[in-house]
Amino acid sequence: DGGITQSPKYLFRKEGQNVTLSCEQNLNHDAMYWYRQDPGQGLRLIYYSQIVNDFQKGDIAEGYSVSREKKESFPLTVTSAQKNPTAFYLCASSIAGTISGNTIYFGEGSWLTVV
Amino acid sequence: KQEVTQIPAALSVPEGENLVLNCSFTDSAIYNLQWFRQDPGKGLTSLLLIQSSQREQTSGRLNASLDKSSGRSTLYIAASQPGDSATYLCAVKDNYGQNFVFGPGTRLSVLP
Repeated sequence: DGGITQSPKYLFRKEGQNVTLSCEQNLNHDAMYWYRQDPGQGLRLIYYSQIVNDFQKGDIAEGYSVSREKKESFPLTVTSAQKNPTAFYLCASSIAGTISGNTIYFGEGSWLTVV
Repeated sequence: KQEVTQIPAALSVPEGENLVLNCSFTDSAIYNLQWFRQDPGKGLTSLLLIQSSQREQTSGRLNASLDKSSGRSTLYIAASQPGDSATYLCAVKDNYGQNFVFGPGTRLSVLP
């Protein structure tokens, strides 16, 4: 089935540790996104990529890093510089640009907790 | 900068009621608007997509309207059911086609 796969579903991070969240899509979408969702709040954009080997910072990029070496993959690294990383992380993808019927599709999310 | 708000933040209704969820956005230069459903601890599922040139879209018991000039959209749910309980988010895509801006969502509870 076509879709977006995020892993792991649950992840625990120790203080000072970097962790990487995986996101893979088989929808042949050019654009991919990472959002952070805190309890009772909306989605905030961390990073996005419109094409392979290119990505842009979103509203809350500090303490995060990404790579886009393949069209299907857009991993997110939460670095030790992110002081409050406990949140629900959502990966998404869409057709790039303004194309009729352009919608955004989401993975099931990953919960990250600092211990 | 585009900002999206949703009212109310939470809503509780008895089963069978018709209800309306509201979404407002500050910049009317949007390309499209989408309504999503999110179940607890899950990703978002797209419900309806309205292009900027459209006034409304319907899918089953759901009807979404768009008034771009006033920066408003509504999601109408007819004959609500307990299975409709979830958080509903709206999102707009700007005319530059880069990003989607999300509202904070309305948490809906439909009581049996």
